[in-house]
Amino acid sequence: QVQLQQWGAGLLKPSETLSLTCDVYGASFNGYYWSWIRQPPGKGLEWIGEVNHIGSTNYNPSLKSRVTMSVHTSRNQISLNLSSVTAADTAVYYCARHYSAYGMGWLNYFDYWGQGTLVTVSS
Amino acid sequence: DIQMTQSPSSLSASVGDRVTITCRASQSISTSLNWYQQKTGKAPKLLIYAASSLQSGVPSRFSGSGSGTDFALTISSLRPEDFATYYCQQSYSTPPLFGPGTTVDVK
Repeated sequence: QVQLQQWGAGLLKPSETLSLTCDVYGASFNGYYWSWIRQPPGKGLEWIGEVNHIGSTNYNPSLKSRVTMSVHTSRNQISLNLSSVTAADTAVYYCARHYSAYGMGWLNYFDYWGQGTLVTVSS
Repeated sequence: DIQMTQSPSSLSASVGDRVTITCRASQSISTSLNWYQQKTGKAPKLLIYAASSLQSGVPSRFSGSGSGTDFALTISSLRPEDFATYYCQQSYSTPPLFGPGTTVDVK
């Protein structure tokens, strides 16, 4: 059974750096991209970016200048850093597995998700 | 970026109703469209991938259809556990954008 367990600081001040970590259990870590997705209170879902087991990354252009994602393969762990946070970064942050395969065309979807971490930015 | 819209933004329904939610992409995305269900305080759950393929473990009352720019999620007979918010998501290009969501609540 694949489980993603995430953790990190939940309260930040403006201009600080958000840091979250996601531990992956019960699944092969290699061969997948692992994504971060966020959801402001009462709003929709926004993809932040993703990282794979060799550290290759793809970021949402809207956040690219402030985002860093890294991987610790030996621990089956991924991390998210988001710098210079403001109140607009207040959200529930999720890690998720990006499944990608070629069948009758490419299949891409998020099939396993972490429990979510509420990060609040407030002075 | 490919933009996604959903309609309606919310709907009220009763147990046993047939419910259909639509999703439209701003350009053709073939069948690169996924549907998720999210309950309050929980992570989204994958229901349908590639427009019409049912994710393992998801009840058969959920079905998806469409291709190109217009898609639909149908719940054939609504059950109490189906009251939730539903999101479509395009997987045709990066960034993978989600629709704004459709909330299904009790009539």
